[in-house]
Amino acid sequence: DSGVTQTPKHLITATGQRVTLRCSPRSGDLSVYWYQQSLDQGLQFLIQYYNGEERAKGNILERFSAQQFPDLHSELNLSSLELGDSALYFCASSEWGATSYNEQFFGPGTRLTVL
Amino acid sequence: AQSVTQLGSHVSVSEGALVLLRCNYSSSVPPYLFWYVQYPNQGLQLLLKYTTGATLVKGINGFEAEFKKSETSFHLTKPSAHMSDAAEYFCAVSVRAGNMLTFGGGTRLMVKP
Repeated sequence: DSGVTQTPKHLITATGQRVTLRCSPRSGDLSVYWYQQSLDQGLQFLIQYYNGEERAKGNILERFSAQQFPDLHSELNLSSLELGDSALYFCASSEWGATSYNEQFFGPGTRLTVL
Repeated sequence: AQSVTQLGSHVSVSEGALVLLRCNYSSSVPPYLFWYVQYPNQGLQLLLKYTTGATLVKGINGFEAEFKKSETSFHLTKPSAHMSDAAEYFCAVSVRAGNMLTFGGGTRLMVKP
């Protein structure tokens, strides 16, 4: 158990819909990362938040957005869903500081199926 | 920008045989390098990491990897495969602490009895 929790575990929805994925980082971790794992694109970085602020953006579609709340949990919002958005979405968290070596701890993922 | 190439999307070994999973990276700055393992229907677990210092890094479950700057490689090895090692393995690079990870395409390791 990495200490990172993600809900829901599975999500099945239809094209055009909107969903929200939730992530709770390990206790004390200020940084949260979102990754997408799909068969055709592999594991891709989407977006990073640090202490409530967006830190870095990767290959995240404009239909997708995220935020990190004061209690440090994060949500990834996916809208106008397409079949190609079906994937496993991972959240990871890490410490921050002079001795941080970017060790990211991954949650179990949310499997999104768009029908 | 950094990138990672894992040679061989599938590797099959016999139980007790040497495991060698290949990883080459591209980075314009000294990299941080990682190997993660993913078991079916689970998240990613860190096997080992290279940040600075000793280039031979030991990880969990008997795995180790050697950072070779001249070859831009970070191959993962284990002297003797066990059935429980069957999983998907990902090599990743980061260019500074706190930065995102860039992953390779993954290598699925199969272990034959």
